[in-house]
Amino acid sequence: AQTVTQSQPEMSVQEAETVTLSCTYDTSENNYYLFWYKQPPSRQMILVIRQEAYKQQNATENRFSVNFQKAAKSFSLKISDSQLGDTAMYFCAFTSGTYKYIFGTGTRLKVLA
Amino acid sequence: ETGVTQSPTHLIKTRGQQVTLRCSSQSGHNTVSWYQQALGQGPQFIFQYYREEENGRGNFPPRFSGLQFPNYSSELNVNALELDDSALYLCASSLVGSPMNTEAFFGQGTRLTVV
Repeated sequence: AQTVTQSQPEMSVQEAETVTLSCTYDTSENNYYLFWYKQPPSRQMILVIRQEAYKQQNATENRFSVNFQKAAKSFSLKISDSQLGDTAMYFCAFTSGTYKYIFGTGTRLKVLA
Repeated sequence: ETGVTQSPTHLIKTRGQQVTLRCSSQSGHNTVSWYQQALGQGPQFIFQYYREEENGRGNFPPRFSGLQFPNYSSELNVNALELDDSALYLCASSLVGSPMNTEAFFGQGTRLTVV
């Protein structure tokens, strides 16, 4: 069975600083996709960044980047220059391509002024 | 805004009742998936509908059922509500057949409270 684990229930970071959220997963698939979603109090899941497993290059989206370690089955999210608007729940998610997503339990990130 | 809309936004039901939640998928998308997100947890996959047929189901009992309509909108029905059914229900639409890096787009959810 495929699983996603987020071991940091809560984290905080000072505004303008950098923070890294951890995610590990387990799968026997070779081709799959990993995502980080942000869920603010408005409840809507917003895609932050995605990574295709067949790509060795780590994905980046502006202030957001990932460290994808396929052999270690690790997929961490780095947020640079943290902003107050980054305060939210962050979920790591996995799909093998069926569009069924498996989510971790989330990390609550608070950015402090 | 993703273009995925869910209704209603909030709902209170009594244990034993039945409930129907609705989702309009993003224009051009042909697949709808439903997730249950209990308080403080990540979303759990309930089932997926593609071309009006169930296309995969998570570990949920048969009292959770769904429909997808020709316009790709969808309903989630839950019978014999239990207190543990209280959760945020999320709908996600996607386009099967597109390049595989297309993500699912989520609605804002329906908060169901069972009392």
